[in-house]
Amino acid sequence: GAVVSQHPSWVICKSGTSVKIECRSLDFQATTMFWYRQFPKQSLMLMATSNEGSKATYEQGVEKDKFLINHASLTLSTLTVTSAHPEDSSFYICRAGDPDEQFFGPGTRLTVL
Amino acid sequence: GESVGLHLPTLSVQEGDNSIINCAYSNSASDYFIWYKQESGKGPQFIIDIRSNMDKRQGQRVTVLLNKTVKHLSLQIAATQPGDSAVYFCAERGKAAGNKLTFGGGTRVLVKP
Repeated sequence: GAVVSQHPSWVICKSGTSVKIECRSLDFQATTMFWYRQFPKQSLMLMATSNEGSKATYEQGVEKDKFLINHASLTLSTLTVTSAHPEDSSFYICRAGDPDEQFFGPGTRLTVL
Repeated sequence: GESVGLHLPTLSVQEGDNSIINCAYSNSASDYFIWYKQESGKGPQFIIDIRSNMDKRQGQRVTVLLNKTVKHLSLQIAATQPGDSAVYFCAERGKAAGNKLTFGGGTRVLVKP
């Protein structure tokens, strides 16, 4: 079946630095990818919808200048957390858009010190 | 806004027994529903889906029931095994939402040996 990968699987950074997370669809093309954030013991919250070749669509309350999304190809979307702060520490998960909504990435654990 | 919620945050089940996880949704326009399983530190894993033109669908050891009248979704796991211990999320997709999913709050299933 289709596989979605994320890199890195975990990252620790200092406050004020930027972190880039990659999401790749390995054996299918995804014109749309979705980025979620999940805090401990909570559900997944959609942050933004990444569209190949166009601007991402952000959910209400998500700062587009802080969470930069680039979907440069049909198999890669990147999420950059700029000027990260401890409150940005979370589990970031991507999902590659497919008709049956099946394929999530394994997630990236971000810890901001 | 629209929401999908769960009745029970934690479900303890004896190994070998059947598990039932419930989910209420509020968007009457939802036409597609999915159950995911999430193990600690991992991304959600697709379990089973159901479309709004059905009221029951069965998979391997799992059954999803949809009651559109009361906007209720359930996941039944037969002969629950230790490997079934995880957090289970329901998700729904509205007809006008494209591939955007809305997730419920999650239920943790603990299987006791």
